[in-house]
Amino acid sequence: GAVVSQHPSRVICKSGTSVKIECRSLDFQATTMFWYRQFPKKSLMLMATSNEGSKATYEQGVEKDKFLINHASLTLSTLTVTSAHPEDSSFYICSARPSGKVNEQFFGPGTRLTVL
Amino acid sequence: AQTVTQSQPEMSVQEAETVTLSCTYDTSESDYYLFWYKQPPSRQMILVIRQEAYKQQNATENRFSVNFQKAAKSFSLKISDSQLGDAAMYFCAYGSSNTGKLIFGQGTTLQVKP
Repeated sequence: GAVVSQHPSRVICKSGTSVKIECRSLDFQATTMFWYRQFPKKSLMLMATSNEGSKATYEQGVEKDKFLINHASLTLSTLTVTSAHPEDSSFYICSARPSGKVNEQFFGPGTRLTVL
Repeated sequence: AQTVTQSQPEMSVQEAETVTLSCTYDTSESDYYLFWYKQPPSRQMILVIRQEAYKQQNATENRFSVNFQKAAKSFSLKISDSQLGDAAMYFCAYGSSNTGKLIFGQGTTLQVKP
């Protein structure tokens, strides 16, 4: 149990295009999901907290218009990188917290984004 | 704000030996959790062990155990009988009971030598 999927696993896009990344909790409901960014051999940096049915909460320094987050159901959150540029190239990881649980998060396998 | 510090960028251990990874944190919260995650080359984050701050007893999971020193804000991970499959990047993380957010340390790359 407690599986989180991400789609796509890899994406290459041209500069200026938008890319959508999906995060799904497959066998549990997640009121809250988190989005992280990770550079090579670096730590995970929390970008935003996604709450089902409400607006996402962004961490300081993260552009909300650049990284659009939608959490329309208890099993799906999406991250859209708008007008992507090469500096947005990174590894994006989501995690999902089972509803009612404070101290548990299950991580997706990540999405590698390359912007040419 | 909470911070997590891992001062060992890289560590190595001989197979079957024991290694300890260090982690310190800072917080003004009274209710929180601490975690160690493993990230192998696949980059899938795997939970190794979890410690509730209100528990005095150190958590253990098979070959993995922690030394939780709450007053010193220290949370080290001991890996016993190291195996080749333990080679990975290890992250210490602080979890706020208030927000549920995780704050990660910089990571320690563990090499296991045969």
